[in-house]
Amino acid sequence: NAGVTQTPKFQVLKTGQSMTLQCAQDMNHNSMYWYRQDPGMGLRLIYYSASEGTTDKGEVPNGYNVSRLNKREFSLRLESAAPSQTSVYFCASSEGRQAIEPQHFGDGTRLSIL
Amino acid sequence: AQSVTQLGSHVSVSEGALVLLRCNYSSSVPPYLFWYVQYPNQGLQLLLKYTSAATLVKGINGFEAEFKKSETSFHLTKPSAHMSDAAEYFCAVTVDTGRRALTFGSGTRLQVQP
Repeated sequence: NAGVTQTPKFQVLKTGQSMTLQCAQDMNHNSMYWYRQDPGMGLRLIYYSASEGTTDKGEVPNGYNVSRLNKREFSLRLESAAPSQTSVYFCASSEGRQAIEPQHFGDGTRLSIL
Repeated sequence: AQSVTQLGSHVSVSEGALVLLRCNYSSSVPPYLFWYVQYPNQGLQLLLKYTSAATLVKGINGFEAEFKKSETSFHLTKPSAHMSDAAEYFCAVTVDTGRRALTFGSGTRLQVQP
């Protein structure tokens, strides 16, 4: 089982460039999440989607946009990348719509903004 | 708002020794608590979760955690460390079934010495 698949695994951007991080899950999960992980700060929620067609802001949404394309896919877009967005980005999914349910994570996208 | 504090960003133990990773939470209502593990270059995996059914929670790979309301703690333990336990461990909290976001601690990196 693939679980949660993130592409690309690594990316280097220049300041001001745009890009979209892709995430797909094959577990028929309802909820999907985007986190960023920075050293010494744990994971911080950027956006989440409780169902197809709905998205909500998390703790650190500024500078990002998301799209829940269908039940399987949840993309994260950086419109104008900034060095402060250098981070490891994780996509996750869970079966239901409540945070008490286990979340399944992808392997991450390591993004560097020069 | 809820929060978790993980005491000790790095913990080193000898193989076969007790593992104790500390997590304290802050919440004005009964919390739901989780431990996740992250192996190098991978996403997070759920180790165990507390959802009020029992104060002692057993997880995968021989780990367990005990919820202590009087101490606002949810420490993770394993009686005998194995080399394969070397990873980063995250404590996380959410406070009610309607909330869709987890709040993660900053993580504790466990090193196991041969």
